[in-house]
Amino acid sequence: KAGVTQTPRYLIKTRGQQVTLSCSPISGHRSVSWYQQTPGQGLQFLFEYFSETQRNKGNFPGRFSGRQFSNSRSEMNVSTLELGDSALYLCASSLAGLQPNNEQFFGPGTRLTVL
Amino acid sequence: EDQVTQSPEALRLQEGESSSLNCSYTVSGLRGLFWYRQDPGKGPEFLFTLYSAGEEKEKERLKATLTKKESFLHITAPKPEDSATYLCAVQGRSGSARQLTFGSGTQLTVLP
Repeated sequence: KAGVTQTPRYLIKTRGQQVTLSCSPISGHRSVSWYQQTPGQGLQFLFEYFSETQRNKGNFPGRFSGRQFSNSRSEMNVSTLELGDSALYLCASSLAGLQPNNEQFFGPGTRLTVL
Repeated sequence: EDQVTQSPEALRLQEGESSSLNCSYTVSGLRGLFWYRQDPGKGPEFLFTLYSAGEEKEKERLKATLTKKESFLHITAPKPEDSATYLCAVQGRSGSARQLTFGSGTQLTVLP
């Protein structure tokens, strides 16, 4: 069974640009969550999508947005990039069922560097 | 607000030297506590989910336990390949059903 895939794996952008990251969840998984990982702040929740609807959003500015498609694939977008947006962006997928099916499985991440 | 504190920040063990990692948490209603392993440059790898105090789960040299305030990850007779950062996370009832709050992790190094 294929795992969570994320593309691209590496990105280099300059300040002010925008970027779109993609995530394909495990087949059959309906929920996709996004996290930002930095050395200083660790792993922080960005948002979760389920049935093409954003269910919750973490404490991030409006420059961070996302969407989910009918096949459960998800994209996140960051506009007007800042140096502090440099991070590993991780996508996690879940069945979105009741216990014990609430585990989240992470992809390899997209390493974003903002110059 | 859910909070997770992991200790120690870093741990160096000799191969075969057993030890435990600690995860203390405060959460408004625990949906689940999760342990992950993360290797450098990779995404976290799922290890265990614990749902209620008293629950225990084992996998190879790892055993996770849960109380109402903390969880322990016990590593028995570790090998160098167990070297990684171990992350603890909680799902509380205040956020969405699948929002995880992570600790800062314990970086484990096992020396041959």
